[in-house]
Amino acid sequence: DAGITQSPRHKVTETGTPVTLRCHQTENHRYMYWYRQDPGHGLRLIHYSYGVKDTDKGEVSDGYSVSRSKTEDFLLTLESATSSQTSVYFCAISQEVTEGYTFGSGTRLTVV
Amino acid sequence: KQEVTQIPAALSVPEGENLVLNCSFTDSAIYNLQWFRQDPGKGLTSLLLIQSSQREQTSGRLNASLDKSSGRSTLYIAASQPGDSATYLCAVSGNTPLVFGKGTRLSVIA
Repeated sequence: DAGITQSPRHKVTETGTPVTLRCHQTENHRYMYWYRQDPGHGLRLIHYSYGVKDTDKGEVSDGYSVSRSKTEDFLLTLESATSSQTSVYFCAISQEVTEGYTFGSGTRLTVV
Repeated sequence: KQEVTQIPAALSVPEGENLVLNCSFTDSAIYNLQWFRQDPGKGLTSLLLIQSSQREQTSGRLNASLDKSSGRSTLYIAASQPGDSATYLCAVSGNTPLVFGKGTRLSVIA
């Protein structure tokens, strides 16, 4: 999908454990985003990055942290997973804020 | 805060029918509007991107229009086919990153 890869594709984890999801791009796009998709809520922004080491919070950032040490990688960490964080997580990239977004294939996370 | 609404939430039509999906947004200060398609259990596929200065974009049987001043966009699908069955998502980008509507679930019956 246009040089954007998410890993893992599926993960089951226990409540209270830390979890890190990875988004990797080969497009050299400046902006990277993490969204979660839930029935009844649609897609909501968690965090985004506008450059290496530059990140900002989205609508549903509580319980999540992010890091971007290289242009190509954007990591999403759940410090202590809760059942409410069971969701499908999508990463997206864009060259500029005025450009269209390209999405990855998603990570389905289940917290039991 | 930008809010995006899509109507109807679900739509079922016979094959061959032309149809219109609607999207409205509350803040007209946008950079662009993007329509996506999502198949069950899959990711998002971008269909059309309309910049704020544009009125419409076309791709094959799809045509999207944008009226920024009234906060509305429509996605027109001509001669619908069963393969068009999916959820269609509208999203706008402006002072905040892309904000999504909840989608219209389309079923095209053969």
